Amino acid sequence: QQQVKQSPQSLIVQKGGIPIINCAYENTAFDYFPWYQQFPGKGPALLIAIRPDVSEKKEGRFTISFNKSAKQFSLHIMDSQPGDSATYFCAASRKNDMRFGAGTRLTVKP
Amino acid sequence: DTGVSQDPRHKITKRGQNVTFRCDPISEHNRLYWYRQTLGQGPEFLTYFQNEAQLEKSRLLSDRFSAERPKGSFSTLEIQRTEQGDSAMYLCASSPAGPYGYTFGSGTRLTVV
Repeated sequence: QQQVKQSPQSLIVQKGGIPIINCAYENTAFDYFPWYQQFPGKGPALLIAIRPDVSEKKEGRFTISFNKSAKQFSLHIMDSQPGDSATYFCAASRKNDMRFGAGTRLTVKP
Repeated sequence: DTGVSQDPRHKITKRGQNVTFRCDPISEHNRLYWYRQTLGQGPEFLTYFQNEAQLEKSRLLSDRFSAERPKGSFSTLEIQRTEQGDSAMYLCASSPAGPYGYTFGSGTRLTVV
C-alpha cells in the first residue's frame, strides 16, 4: 500500500527556475518528513527534513512547505542548477517506520 | 571512511542461486536498516536492527530472505534460491537514533538472470 504519494514523476526546468515537488501522506501518525536526493549509482542522501509542528523550513536553496491539515508537503528548489539534476524522494516516518514516495526525476537544463 | 559501506556493488547471479550482501554501518550508529529499491520506485523497508537485535521485518521479507547483525556492527542480507523478481538495488542505512540522521550506503545492485 502506498502511504506516500509523490508528484510529478519527472520535471524539467531551466537553470534558475524553481522546481516544486509535492507529496501527500495518509497516516496522521507520521511525525518526521525528510527529503532525499539520489544520484545515479548512489544511495539516497538526506537533503532537508521537517516535523509537523512547523509549516516551513529553509536550508540554503531548499525549502519544505508543510500543510498538516491537508497532509501534504512540498520541496522547492530556489535558483536551480544543473548539478541539482537528480531523483528526489519524499518520505514520512513514525519511529522506525519510514515510507518513501516513488521519486521525482528532476532535470535542470543549462 | 565514515560512511556506510556495502559490498559488493554489483552482483549478477543465476536464478536459484544464493547470494549474500554485506553492510558496514557508521561505527557509532546502533540502528541498521535494509531497504530494497526497484527501478523508478522509492526504497521499500525490509528489516531493521537495533544493535544485534532484529526488531522489525517487512512482509516483503519472504522466507527466502534472512538478515543478521551478529555483533551489532556489520550486517549481512542473504537471499536463497533467487528469483528474477529479486532483481533490485539493496540499500543499507544506519542511524544513531530512529529515522533521524539516516545515512544510506551506495547499495548493492542485484541482477538475477
